[in-house]
Amino acid sequence: GQQLNQSPQSMFIQEGEDVSMNCTSSSIFNTWLWYKQEPGEGPVLLIALYKAGELTSNGRLTAQFGITRKDSFLNISASIPSDVGIYFCAGQPMMNRDDKIIFGKGTRLHILP
Amino acid sequence: DAGVIQSPRHEVTEMGQEVTLRCKPISGHDYLFWYRQTMMRGLELLIYFNNNVPIDDSGMPEDRFSAKMPNASFSTLKIQPSEPRDSAVYFCASSRTGGEVLFGPGTRLTVL
Repeated sequence: GQQLNQSPQSMFIQEGEDVSMNCTSSSIFNTWLWYKQEPGEGPVLLIALYKAGELTSNGRLTAQFGITRKDSFLNISASIPSDVGIYFCAGQPMMNRDDKIIFGKGTRLHILP
Repeated sequence: DAGVIQSPRHEVTEMGQEVTLRCKPISGHDYLFWYRQTMMRGLELLIYFNNNVPIDDSGMPEDRFSAKMPNASFSTLKIQPSEPRDSAVYFCASSRTGGEVLFGPGTRLTVL
């Protein structure tokens, strides 16, 4: 079945550094979504992407829908302590007959003091 | 606008007991999803509904799990009998199109 490979699994960075994470698949996707989950909470939608090549920002976050439709990346600029959490990519495969989206396993972001 | 509402937020029960988790999706959303999250397996889709009809329950672990959606504003996920390996965080989520899925705060279930 379709899978999303999300990397890295975890990151340890200094406050103020930029962060980059990505998701790849062997399948073509119609939609890419990026979520953030904080401890004790549900995942919160950060950015939704619908067209190949689309680049969308949400504050210090920027995400892009890859032109091959098989990948997406999320960048966080000038990280701050509240950026800590797990970031999930998710996508809606083009070949799915249903409307399910599938999730990556997450990138756990740690910020060192 | 209220988000997805789940209850209870925390549930502690003993093995063999019945557990019922409840969800109220966002008004106007046609899709409702139940997910389970554990450290080992991450986020797993258990079942989803479109217009109150179950579409795909292939993620439901076994017959001990059942889900219903009697109307557009309410769904339940039931585990009977519960087992310790069912301990996890259970999320309900909803969406308008099936794409932008919005999650509730989750129910943390502990089965002793």
